[in-house]
Amino acid sequence: GNSVTQMEGPVTLSEEAFLTINCTYTATGYPSLFWYVQYPGEGLQLLLKATKADDKGSNKGFEATYRKETTSFHLEKGSVQVSDSAVYFCALPPGGYNKLIFGAGTRLAVHP
Amino acid sequence: DTAVSQTPKYLVTQMGNDKSIKCEQNLGHDTMYWYKQDSKKFLKIMFSYNNKELIINETVPNRFSPKSPDKAHLNLHINSLELGDSAVYFCASSQGRGRTEAFFGQGTRLTVV
Repeated sequence: GNSVTQMEGPVTLSEEAFLTINCTYTATGYPSLFWYVQYPGEGLQLLLKATKADDKGSNKGFEATYRKETTSFHLEKGSVQVSDSAVYFCALPPGGYNKLIFGAGTRLAVHP
Repeated sequence: DTAVSQTPKYLVTQMGNDKSIKCEQNLGHDTMYWYKQDSKKFLKIMFSYNNKELIINETVPNRFSPKSPDKAHLNLHINSLELGDSAVYFCASSQGRGRTEAFFGQGTRLTVV
């Protein structure tokens, strides 16, 4: 079945550093791919999505490209801020849908 | 207006008690979910409902009983609470049986003592 693997954290960066959080997937067909963010004490919010191969999702300076050749959907940001400190989840719906499968989450800590 | 709202936000209770968590969505979505997040932040689907019909029950103990009185509400009742039930429970909704993104509530932090 479909699955998603995410790099383990925590990731600790200085403000204005470049961020990459790796996400790879296995899937039948070409499901939509998502990145969610969970700020401390809050629920999950959709950060960005891509609905087909080669699509690039972007939001709040974050980007991720749906790459079917490498089955990846890595999250990147050119210059992180302290306010980006959160847990990031890669997700996809399995075949047959009716739910989302989440990666294990990657905690990002950005310090001044 | 909160899109997906769940109550209470915090719940502390003793082992053996019965408790409920309520969830409501005002997005007009057909599908609602309960997810459990453990202390390591790992998220796992518990239940999925589509138009009040149970679609997914992911090997959750039968002490957990979801109820969907209408497609805007999905409540979770838990009987005979155990220490291992301590977690954050998230309600979510989506349109189209999960083909699109899900919208999450703020979570209910359940602590069983």
